[in-house]
Amino acid sequence: DAGVTQSPTHLIKTRGQQVTLRCSPKSGHDTVSWYQQALGQGPQFIFQYYEEEERQRGNFPDRFSGHQFPNYSSELNVNALWLGDSALYLCASLLLVYQPQHFGDGTRLSIL
Amino acid sequence: AQKVTQAQTEISVVEKEDVTLDCVYETRDTTYYLFWYKQPPSGELVFLIRRNSFDEQNEISGRYSWNFQKSTSSFNFTITASQVVDSAVYFCALRMVWGSQGNLIFGKGTKLSVKP
Repeated sequence: DAGVTQSPTHLIKTRGQQVTLRCSPKSGHDTVSWYQQALGQGPQFIFQYYEEEERQRGNFPDRFSGHQFPNYSSELNVNALWLGDSALYLCASLLLVYQPQHFGDGTRLSIL
Repeated sequence: AQKVTQAQTEISVVEKEDVTLDCVYETRDTTYYLFWYKQPPSGELVFLIRRNSFDEQNEISGRYSWNFQKSTSSFNFTITASQVVDSAVYFCALRMVWGSQGNLIFGKGTKLSVKP
């Protein structure tokens, strides 16, 4: 039973570029949430996708956008990268909202 | 607004010592869930426990135990007879029952180092 998988593991970008991160949810899960974890901080909720639509969004600018595909996998896109976007980006999936979320290993994004 | 505070940034203990990680939360909602997650160096957040706001019974799972006190808005986590494998960052998190869609509000985490 595959858990949540994320790709790539690490990524280095320069300021102003854009990036796409990918997530495959745990088998049987249909909802995907994305979190940003800056160094030394707890994860912060970015947004959640369900039925291919953004269902809820945290306090992040429009530079952060996403997509969910019919197979429930998801992408996180960030435009106009700046140094402050350097972080570990975590994807989590769940089936029912009252159940615990299952997290992937994350993508570590470094902005130079 | 909801908030989770983990006042202990880092804790260092020697193997076999007991250690308690503190968590204080703020919410005006009467129904909510509290969680603890473990984050090893690999980065994955590993689910440890979930408590709902109606259940104040303490819970024990092997060397782990949790003390939920609604009166002080605290949900503390104790590791008994710590082991080197317990070294990780531990996060306490809060989730509302209504309107959260399952999404979590995390504290800043406590880094636990267990030395042999």
